[in-house]
Amino acid sequence: DVKVTQSSRYLVKRTGEKVFLECVQDMDHENMFWYRQDPGLGLRLIYFSYDVKMKEKGDIPEGYSVSREKKERFSLILESASTNQTSMYLCASSPPGYNSYEQYFGPGTRLTVT
Amino acid sequence: AQSVAQPEDQVNVAEGNPLTVKCTYSVSGNPYLFWYVQYPNRGLQFLLKYITGDNLVKGSYGFEAEFNKSQTSFHLKKPSALVSDSALYFCAVRDIYRGSTLGRLYFGRGTQLTVWP
Repeated sequence: DVKVTQSSRYLVKRTGEKVFLECVQDMDHENMFWYRQDPGLGLRLIYFSYDVKMKEKGDIPEGYSVSREKKERFSLILESASTNQTSMYLCASSPPGYNSYEQYFGPGTRLTVT
Repeated sequence: AQSVAQPEDQVNVAEGNPLTVKCTYSVSGNPYLFWYVQYPNRGLQFLLKYITGDNLVKGSYGFEAEFNKSQTSFHLKKPSALVSDSALYFCAVRDIYRGSTLGRLYFGRGTQLTVWP
């Protein structure tokens, strides 16, 4: 069965801390994505990666960075957490190619920055 | 750029009644459209997609969606709602990243569906 896991379901961090959110998929997918979800705004794409060590900015990359050292793992990094980064963070993956349509989502990490 | 709009933040329906969750889209080229569902404290689950072919697409849990090119709509429907259908529903459209074969999705803001007994 397809599986995307995220390291934490709930996380509380202080302003200014460096925060790591981890995502692992077991489907051998090339493409991986990080979104944040906020009420009334839907899902917004932060970063995505189409191969190991490759990354591309999404719609709201400011304040975030990513790392993809292995195919199965895609990390989101908040360099210096701020209260406006309090949100639900969702990771997703998809297979390569033009005919890859669906994305498979992890359960999400609810991050609170105080 | 591609985009989708979900004009209703909330939809309320009684159990056993038909339900519709609306979505309209704006794309250049052929639209690739999706519906996802999110249950409380869970990630998104894929429901169905329209790529090409029949305008009525059937998906998981008895849901279906009707693609209407002239109205640029892709409404989600179910003939008889269940209380367990209560969830947050997202419409999405696919775009291709900068001439590559990598697809990315643009999501609507979501519609909260509540089905009461």
